[in-house]
Amino acid sequence: DTGVSQNPRHKITKRGQNVTFRCDPISEHNRLYWYRQTLGQGPEFLTYFQNEAQLEKSRLLSDRFSAERPKGSFSTLEIQRTEQGDSAMYLCASSWDGQPQETQYFGPGTRLLVL
Amino acid sequence: GQQLNQSPQSMFIQEGEDVSMNCTSSSIFNTWLWYKQDPGEGPVLLIALYKAGELTSNGRLTAQFGITRKDSFLNISASIPSDVGIYFCAGFMNYGGSQGNLIFGKGTKLSVKP
Repeated sequence: DTGVSQNPRHKITKRGQNVTFRCDPISEHNRLYWYRQTLGQGPEFLTYFQNEAQLEKSRLLSDRFSAERPKGSFSTLEIQRTEQGDSAMYLCASSWDGQPQETQYFGPGTRLLVL
Repeated sequence: GQQLNQSPQSMFIQEGEDVSMNCTSSSIFNTWLWYKQDPGEGPVLLIALYKAGELTSNGRLTAQFGITRKDSFLNISASIPSDVGIYFCAGFMNYGGSQGNLIFGKGTKLSVKP
C-alpha cells in the first residue's frame, strides 16, 4: 500500500501528558500537511511542509503544538500538556509539486481522546 | 475566517436515486474539491475542479465549479449503498502571504433510507 499512513490510529491519554503522532506521506510527495477534525466538522488546516521546511502555520497551532519533518520524508506532530479540547482526529495529507498543491491525499488519521 | 456553507447537512437516499449537494462561499476560490469520508477514515479525493464553469465527471459523480467561483455542486447518479458516508467540499486559494491551504465545509451526511 503506497498511501499516506499514520500511527497510532488511536490514542487515549490523560490531561497534561504529551503525545506524538507520526505521518508517512506517499513516496516522493514533497509536500505534507496536518489538519485537525472535530466531530461534525470538516478538517481544519494546522501546518504545511515543503520538504523539510515548515512554510505555514495556522493560528490553531498553539505553542503546545509542534510539528517537524527533519529529513523531508515522515513528519511528527507533538502536543505538549494535552487538554481535553485537544480531543480530535488529526489528519495528515501529502501532495507533490508535479500536481496542483490543492490535490492532497489524506491518511486515515489519528484519533486522540484526552481524559 | 473563511467559511464554506454546505447543504444539505444530511440526507437519506434510496438505492437508485440521484443525489445533489452544494457548497457556497462568501469568498472566491481558485479550486474546488469534493471529498468523501467513511467513519474512522480520512477523506478520499473524488473530484477536483480548477476552472470557473468547469463540469467534471468521475463515474457516477459529476461536479461543477460555479461561474462566480463562489460555489460548487456535486451530483451522484443512481446511488448505491456504498455511497453512504460524509461528503465534504473544500476550496483552495493562495491569498496574501499564505502558501494556500484547503478550507472545508461541514459536510453532507448521506444515509440509507430505513
